[in-house]
Amino acid sequence: DQQVKQNSPSLSVQEGRISILNCDYTNSMFDYFLWYKKYPAEGPTFLISISSIKDKNEDGRFTVFLNKSAKHLSLHIVPSQPGDSAVYFCAASATGSQGNLIFGKGTKLSVKP
Amino acid sequence: SQTIHQWPATLVQPVGSPLSLECTVEGTSNPNLYWYRQAAGRGLQLLFYSVGIGQISSEVPQNLSASRPQDRQFILSSKKLLLSDSGFYLCAWSVDSNNSPLHFGNGTRLTVT
Repeated sequence: DQQVKQNSPSLSVQEGRISILNCDYTNSMFDYFLWYKKYPAEGPTFLISISSIKDKNEDGRFTVFLNKSAKHLSLHIVPSQPGDSAVYFCAASATGSQGNLIFGKGTKLSVKP
Repeated sequence: SQTIHQWPATLVQPVGSPLSLECTVEGTSNPNLYWYRQAAGRGLQLLFYSVGIGQISSEVPQNLSASRPQDRQFILSSKKLLLSDSGFYLCAWSVDSNNSPLHFGNGTRLTVT
């Protein structure tokens, strides 16, 4: 049973436009959510996180939104750049889980020039 | 600054052979350490985590084992590899507190033939 779901395996966006990556979760105990970016043959790189006491966190071009009632979070990238092309993973953890992250299967973002 | 080193980057091993992957972290003390695996077309799956020397928790029963002989060293092993052990293995660390991101190494691509 997948506790963290990324239902879109891929997304294609034009350079300069907004990229919106979505993630749903089922475990109501999750209280910390993260987004990672991964290039081929490399480890995931931490991008941005949000705790369940917030509904928005912004860092430069990246904003994460959390809707706890819908158990949904999203990552917005504005404006999208070709260098943003990568696989994006959503992850979640619960307090007391020793930081163990549960990952989604990822969404491959392609930003076209 | 903290760095994480993981080696080798790629490995091809025959079925039935042993395995030893090593991971070391620099620039921090008493980190939580993790081994994840990404199988083809799937998300990242937690295999083992450790909150201290000699303390190993296994998340998924399998053909693999982990050890933490020193504070900043984490080793993934197998006595006899199976074809199903092929995948991308990632080591990660985090500070020992809640709501801390994991920081990943560059991974080892293991192919069992």
